[in-house]
Amino acid sequence: KNQVEQSPQSLIILEGKNCTLQCNYTVSPFSNLRWYKQDTGRGPVSLTIMTFSENTKSNGRYTATLDADTKQSSLHITASQLSDSASYICVVSDRGSTLGRLYFGRGTQLTVWP
Amino acid sequence: EADIYQTPRYLVIGTGKKITLECSQTMGHDKMYWYQQDPGMELHLIHYSYGVNSTEKGDLSSESTVSRIRTEHFPLTLESARPSHTSQYLCASSEGTSSYNSPLHFGNGTRLTVT
Repeated sequence: KNQVEQSPQSLIILEGKNCTLQCNYTVSPFSNLRWYKQDTGRGPVSLTIMTFSENTKSNGRYTATLDADTKQSSLHITASQLSDSASYICVVSDRGSTLGRLYFGRGTQLTVWP
Repeated sequence: EADIYQTPRYLVIGTGKKITLECSQTMGHDKMYWYQQDPGMELHLIHYSYGVNSTEKGDLSSESTVSRIRTEHFPLTLESARPSHTSQYLCASSEGTSSYNSPLHFGNGTRLTVT
């Protein structure tokens, strides 16, 4: 069964600290892995998209890694800010259809305290 | 930010009412989607469209219907709302079939409550 599991479910850190969010997946055949940020009451916003051949991708203070062999990804946030408080959603796409079916994780709820 | 708009942002209605959730995008994207999201749960695809006059049901069984008469417009209709329809509905769009790697652009959602 194709699944995407994220950990931890929730995380609280102090402003300025770093953190790492995890995503494990069983989706096959793999096409790409995406990280989205969803602020409370808003729609998700794309942070990164990584294909099989990419193992690191950065977007400002966000760095995503992908290990396609172990089917794991992580999202590292550097020097956290209050505005980083949000849900971070891992999404994996397969290549089994023209559409590229998407499998969503349940998200990690990150809270940054001052 | 992406140019995709959903109205209304919040809606409280009684059981049995007919409602239409509006979604419009100005990016000229061929693909559009409707997702349902409950607190702490993953997004579930309920409808999608490849382009004008193309609509398909998604993974989650839904009593809603959609239409795609114009590229930019993808409304979702519930003929008779029930409390089980209470949820957040997210509309999204992406570029055409040329790439698997196109990101989804989401609207800010409609929070529907059926009493």
